[in-house]
Amino acid sequence: QLQLQESGPGLVKPSETLSLTCTVSGGSISSRLYYWGWFRQPPGKGLEWIGTVHYDGSNYFTPSLKSRVTISVDTSKNQFSLKLSSVTAADTAVYYCARLWLWFRAVDSWGQGTLVTVSS
Amino acid sequence: QSALTQPASVSGSPGQSITISCTGTSSDVGGYNYVSWYQHHPGKAPKLMIYEVSNRPSGVSNRFSGSKSGNTASLAISGLQAEDEADYYCASYTTSSTLIFGGGTRLTVL
Repeated sequence: QLQLQESGPGLVKPSETLSLTCTVSGGSISSRLYYWGWFRQPPGKGLEWIGTVHYDGSNYFTPSLKSRVTISVDTSKNQFSLKLSSVTAADTAVYYCARLWLWFRAVDSWGQGTLVTVSS
Repeated sequence: QSALTQPASVSGSPGQSITISCTGTSSDVGGYNYVSWYQHHPGKAPKLMIYEVSNRPSGVSNRFSGSKSGNTASLAISGLQAEDEADYYCASYTTSSTLIFGGGTRLTVL
């Protein structure tokens, strides 16, 4: 059974870079059928898609964050990572990693999520 | 890109049926049959309930069904049960090659 687990600092200072890693177990990150993505949910708000990446290097990002986001894949470790630069308090959220079937068809497996707070 | 429009809340009694709407534009919901629905219990991982407008993943109860008409998609839940109480989100692919979510609907089982 596929499992995804987010890891990384729970507290980031304003203007610094938020870095999270998602470790995938029970399946290969190199599958042609699946893409890998990051989502977030600010306190009291709804889900937001951040970006999606495929092991072949193709990627897609939400326009509002595109200039600050990097998502990379490490096939040797079966992991993918999120970097969000120049963070502010507005980036405080629960961050989820997930698997996407054929990119946009369905987000069929999610991690439990990790709270990242931006504060000095 | 603006979020898809969902009602903030819906409610129903056990055994009843409810419907949650998700309204977008011709650039997202109306333009593709790539609408999906997610159930989210606070503090837990979201769960895929419906994909490609009306398909149910294996293991999801047939009490959940999806449909679409024009720029509005809908999630119907029949035979409401206490465990259905959760937040529900719709999502759609867009002409900009992005994914957009609705604002979410809190379902209360009375």
